[in-house]
Amino acid sequence: NAGVTQTPKFQVLKTGQSMTLQCAQDMNHEYMSWYRQDPGMGLRLIHYSVGAGITDQGEVPNGYNVSRSTTEDFPLRLLSAAPSQTSVYFCASRDSGDTGELFFGEGSRLTVL
Amino acid sequence: DAKTTQPPSMDCAEGRAANLPCNHSTISGNEYVYWYRQIHSQGPQYIIHGLKNNETNEMASLIITEDRKSSTLILPHATLRDTAVYYCIVRVAVASYDKVIFGPGTSLSVIP
Repeated sequence: NAGVTQTPKFQVLKTGQSMTLQCAQDMNHEYMSWYRQDPGMGLRLIHYSVGAGITDQGEVPNGYNVSRSTTEDFPLRLLSAAPSQTSVYFCASRDSGDTGELFFGEGSRLTVL
Repeated sequence: DAKTTQPPSMDCAEGRAANLPCNHSTISGNEYVYWYRQIHSQGPQYIIHGLKNNETNEMASLIITEDRKSSTLILPHATLRDTAVYYCIVRVAVASYDKVIFGPGTSLSVIP
């Protein structure tokens, strides 16, 4: 199993550009989520999904859109990138069984100029 | 999810036990305590979780007080590779519909 795969690992955007961060998991997890992490800070939840067709907002959803058309994929869209969105983004999925352990991707480092 | 508080940073001598505290005074009866760690800029990694009883696995031990208002993660023989940020989270384990919120965590430095 590949686990949680994020692409791209690095991206540089100009202010106002749009892009999509991809996240895919091959563990058949219902729960998927996106976090951002800024220097010296913990992870902040952006959006999450509890299954295909169901998404909800986290702590810092503004400026981001998500959709969940399949169990495997949970893309994060920036419609008009801003410098404040410069961050490292982590995707995570969770087993809804006994442990409920979160599995994280390796992260996507985004710089908005 | 119940709120947790952790010290922002701690030091530990290599080879000694690292004891990382976490307060969760508003924890509900069905909420578990989870610990994760994040080494450098990697994605966080699950360490251990528990409900009431103390738990131990190959990575660490988790001690939960009887009133469940606080817990301690113990790394029995800390190594330099244990230098990381450690996050304590409380949440319902088996439900699929709760969002998982991370706090700022504790930055542990293991010193040679």
